[in-house]
Amino acid sequence: DSGVTQTPKHLITATGQRVTLRCSPRSGDLSVYWYQQSLDQGLQFLIHYYNGEERAKGNILERFSAQQFPDLHSELNLSSLELGDSALYFCASSTSGGPYEQYFGPGTRLTVT
Amino acid sequence: GIQVEQSPPDLILQEGANSTLRCNFSDSVNNLQWFHQNPWGQLINLFYIPSGTKQNGRLSATTVATERYSLLYISSSQTTDSGVYFCAGDDYKLSFGAGTTVTVRA
Repeated sequence: DSGVTQTPKHLITATGQRVTLRCSPRSGDLSVYWYQQSLDQGLQFLIHYYNGEERAKGNILERFSAQQFPDLHSELNLSSLELGDSALYFCASSTSGGPYEQYFGPGTRLTVT
Repeated sequence: GIQVEQSPPDLILQEGANSTLRCNFSDSVNNLQWFHQNPWGQLINLFYIPSGTKQNGRLSATTVATERYSLLYISSSQTTDSGVYFCAGDDYKLSFGAGTTVTVRA
């Protein structure tokens, strides 16, 4: 158990809908990262938050947004869902904002039908 | 971001065999990790190894930062070692390789 929690574990929804994925980092970690794992794109970095502030964006679509709250948990919002958004979404956390070891949550498996 | 190349893409082992997985990076990295993704999809941290050598049981890893590659050694493989092994590196974010799928047969 990495200490990073993600909910829900599975999510099935229809095209055009909006969902929210939730992540709680390890106790004491200030950084939260979101990654997407799909069959065709592999594991890709989406976005990084450090202590409530956005630090960096990767290949994140405009239909996706995220935030990190004062209690350091983070949410990833996916809207106007398409079939291609079906993927495993991981959250990771690390101690600080620099190049430190990242610990991954169990992931949320999203299926868009 | 950097490009990460892993080899081989697939590896089939008999239980008890040893193997070496390789990871090449297109540029220098300050953060390098090895992961094992189990059949349930969980990413398990194996090593955080920006440079040097580390060992953990039957697994060990070596990173030669100046030459931009890392190696993961699996000794006396067991069926529970099956899964996909990823290396990843960069600075604040991780750029992942495509993975090596390891199948250990009893």
